[in-house]
Amino acid sequence: QSVLTQPPSVSAAPGQKVTISCSGSSSNIGNNYVSWYQQFPGTAPKLLMYDNSKRPSGIPDRFSGSKSGTSATLGITGLQTGDEADYYCGTWDNGLSGGVFGGGTKVTVL
Amino acid sequence: QVQLQESGPGLVKPSETLSLTCSVSGGSVSSYYWSWLRQPPGQGLEWIGYVYYTGSTTYNPSLKSRVSISMDTSRNQFSLKLNSLTAADTAIYYCARDLGGGSRYWYFDLWGRGTLVTVSS
Repeated sequence: QSVLTQPPSVSAAPGQKVTISCSGSSSNIGNNYVSWYQQFPGTAPKLLMYDNSKRPSGIPDRFSGSKSGTSATLGITGLQTGDEADYYCGTWDNGLSGGVFGGGTKVTVL
Repeated sequence: QVQLQESGPGLVKPSETLSLTCSVSGGSVSSYYWSWLRQPPGQGLEWIGYVYYTGSTTYNPSLKSRVSISMDTSRNQFSLKLNSLTAADTAIYYCARDLGGGSRYWYFDLWGRGTLVTVSS
């Protein structure tokens, strides 16, 4: 049972948009910044978004992040087959005094 | 560029202690936090703990009684020890550069490739 809640899967056709939600509480998302990671099968996670909405160098602007209250959202526009992967949100939890993640969301391109 | 590489045994017996090392190349461990994370097969990510280059540490409360992370700046590497292993500790173990060190801005910008550790007799 993950502290942060993500949908297990989302899907859309190529070129369409998907959004992945990440729900938490005031002890984590509500008072801290959220990061997002992309993971392809058999590989390590890769930083996709940090500080809620900042993209590291090399991440296309098709990826966007936002936060409102105790929830965060990752958006992917212009969906490509190469975007099929697992996506995880993460943040610090002040109550637990530790880092927490969502259970991950599998993106499928139909 | 900075690269991280985990090393250690792939198979450990129940009740024994797991020891892993993360070697950092292309840059210095100084001035950064460094974390260990793990991912059981087919499951999500779990943060284990971090060490600052000064040697100070913070651990996941759920693992705190069994984990120790240390820093060796002379070798530009840091290490994980996890004791009293059970099958539930079977996972891919990753080391990562931790930007934030438990602050509001906590995230990981560099990751090792990961190493699979199986706990079995």
